[in-house]
Amino acid sequence: AQKITQTQPGMFVQEKEAVTLDCTYDTSDPSYGLFWYKQPSSGEMIFLIYQGSYDQQNATEGRYSLNFQKARKSANLVISASQLGDSAMYFCAVPPGSARQLTFGSGTQLTVLP
Amino acid sequence: DAGITQSPRHKVTETGTPVTLRCHQTENHRYMYWYRQDPGHGLRLIHYSYGVKDTDKGEVSDGYSVSRSKTEDFLLTLESATSSQTSVYFCAIRASGAHSGANVLTFGAGSRLTVL
Repeated sequence: AQKITQTQPGMFVQEKEAVTLDCTYDTSDPSYGLFWYKQPSSGEMIFLIYQGSYDQQNATEGRYSLNFQKARKSANLVISASQLGDSAMYFCAVPPGSARQLTFGSGTQLTVLP
Repeated sequence: DAGITQSPRHKVTETGTPVTLRCHQTENHRYMYWYRQDPGHGLRLIHYSYGVKDTDKGEVSDGYSVSRSKTEDFLLTLESATSSQTSVYFCAIRASGAHSGANVLTFGAGSRLTVL
């Protein structure tokens, strides 16, 4: 079965510093890339960033970037210049061999300290 | 705004009663999903639909059924609710190619179900 591992249940970072959230995946078909979502305390799921499996460069979206290491099957989310509003749960997700659905990791709770 | 509405947003019910959660979309997307979210498990797929009357099971489908008689509505039914089904339920739609060619899932606001 598809397995997504987020090894950091909780992380703390000082405001304005960078933080890296880890994600590794185990999939038989890496064709469909990897997604990161943010869930603030209000509960909504917000799409952050996508990395295509065959993209030559790491994806970036504003302060969010991915450190994608295909051989290691990892796609870590890097948040630069952390803000208090970045405090949230972060999930990585991978299509499990089919583009029809997403399998999610268990998440990392990030707390940004003032 | 992806135009996804979940109802009810909150429900408390008793063990053994039937419960139906509704997901309504306004943008005619083909794929719709039901996930549940529990502490320590992230989101787990219950069922999904790839068209009217076309559905498939996800990772945690036992105890749940779904129906999709119209493109815009995807219903999740708990025939006889149990305390283990206390959870937050999220509906999602898939916007094909919406972001750099990726099939991004967009989620509704969630429905919190408590089974006593």
